[in-house]
Amino acid sequence: QKEVEQNSGPLSVPEGAIASLNCTYSDRGSQSFFWYRQYSGKSPELIMFIYSNGDKEDGRFTAQLNKASQYVSLLIRDSQPSDSATYLCAVKGSFQKLVFGTGTRLLVSP
Amino acid sequence: DAGVTQSPTHLIKTRGQQVTLRCSPISGHKSVSWYQQVLGQGPQFIFQYYEKEERGRGNFPDRFSARQFPNYSSELNVNALLLGDSALYLCASSLGGGRGYEQYFGPGTRLTVT
Repeated sequence: QKEVEQNSGPLSVPEGAIASLNCTYSDRGSQSFFWYRQYSGKSPELIMFIYSNGDKEDGRFTAQLNKASQYVSLLIRDSQPSDSATYLCAVKGSFQKLVFGTGTRLLVSP
Repeated sequence: DAGVTQSPTHLIKTRGQQVTLRCSPISGHKSVSWYQQVLGQGPQFIFQYYEKEERGRGNFPDRFSARQFPNYSSELNVNALLLGDSALYLCASSLGGGRGYEQYFGPGTRLTVT
């Protein structure tokens, strides 16, 4: 079992829709969770982090964490074509090591 | 404020050669981590340095080494390059010391080994 799992996609949504990206993790002791956005040929950009159970909202982005079920999700409201990218889920391991999933490719069509 | 900077942007090396990659963290950040990302995969952790000391090492061979300088910049060295070392090498900066776990990536160095 991989430490952090994501559906590779692509996830296709029409412009203006809600995109829902999911991630599960295996280490029940994990406390810190991150979402990065990566455009093709570029480096990952931190867009959300969440440390407590529940929802955290920032603009069009909402991160949801459920530690009991060991999943974290990212909702993107009013999706735009510029949101088309690969979204990486990361979980903090020992010291400050981040363990990444393989990413979900999101395609937003006009 | 300037973000994380890395140099060089691109690099082409031959098998068996050695390479040094450089990183400057965000001002005020004392922790630097290095990651390797191959196409289609998420970044893989190589090293973390905080206050000039190695705090963590990933599952990479001893050909990989790193260090952090008094100004918190860092270098990653890879010896005896293999074709499989071709990847995007990412440096991430964070406050460190338990004050913040958020890591911010630089633009990366794309290494091609021929």
